[in-house]
Amino acid sequence: GAGVSQSPSNKVTEKGKDVELRCDPISGHTALYWYRQRLGQGLEFLIYFQGNSAPDKSGLPSDRFSAERTGESVSTLTIQRTQQEDSAVYLCASEQGMRTGELFFGEGSRLTVL
Amino acid sequence: RKEVEQDPGPFNVPEGATVAFNCTYSNSASQSFFWYRQDCRKEPKLLMSVYSSGNEDGRFTAQLNRASQYISLLIRDSKLSDSATYLCVVIRYNQGGKLIFGQGTELSVKP
Repeated sequence: GAGVSQSPSNKVTEKGKDVELRCDPISGHTALYWYRQRLGQGLEFLIYFQGNSAPDKSGLPSDRFSAERTGESVSTLTIQRTQQEDSAVYLCASEQGMRTGELFFGEGSRLTVL
Repeated sequence: RKEVEQDPGPFNVPEGATVAFNCTYSNSASQSFFWYRQDCRKEPKLLMSVYSSGNEDGRFTAQLNRASQYISLLIRDSKLSDSATYLCVVIRYNQGGKLIFGQGTELSVKP
């Protein structure tokens, strides 16, 4: 498809397990963001990739969270040793170039940690 | 203090009403501004950019006051379909062009 694709759409896991979330951005988009949104809350910035620059990891809440991006394509967000407070929707968004202001979001990955 | 602040609402208004949202930003290095809309359980989508001179898009008017560091969104003749959360967004160029979202203002338009 032409939009941002995220998988899995839903993930239920047990506390302490690792999870990996995947994002396929729109082809040609150089910028990619990960956000977290807890139920009824706003978007919490996690990490920002822009082209070949070093990623901005300033929003990652702990060292259990990490993300990678291969070139200007797929990104994976990994959460190790999940905790119940990690339960949220994880949204990925891509942007063509820099400073356009128009992010295209995926539908999100809903993570539930039991 | 959050870098981008909004009144979370909810704003409950009747159809046809005019409603205004404000958003303040703390960093004067912020250089571009936008409003996004997020429907319940959906992903956010760009509503409109905010230009220094102010801009309109149909029933929606966005304004920027750099001196006071706030942005506003005015919705005239509210429709039921306007019910959503409205997110204020700024770009800080000195942070590599990263978009920073406010927490959003919830609007509920009633018949």
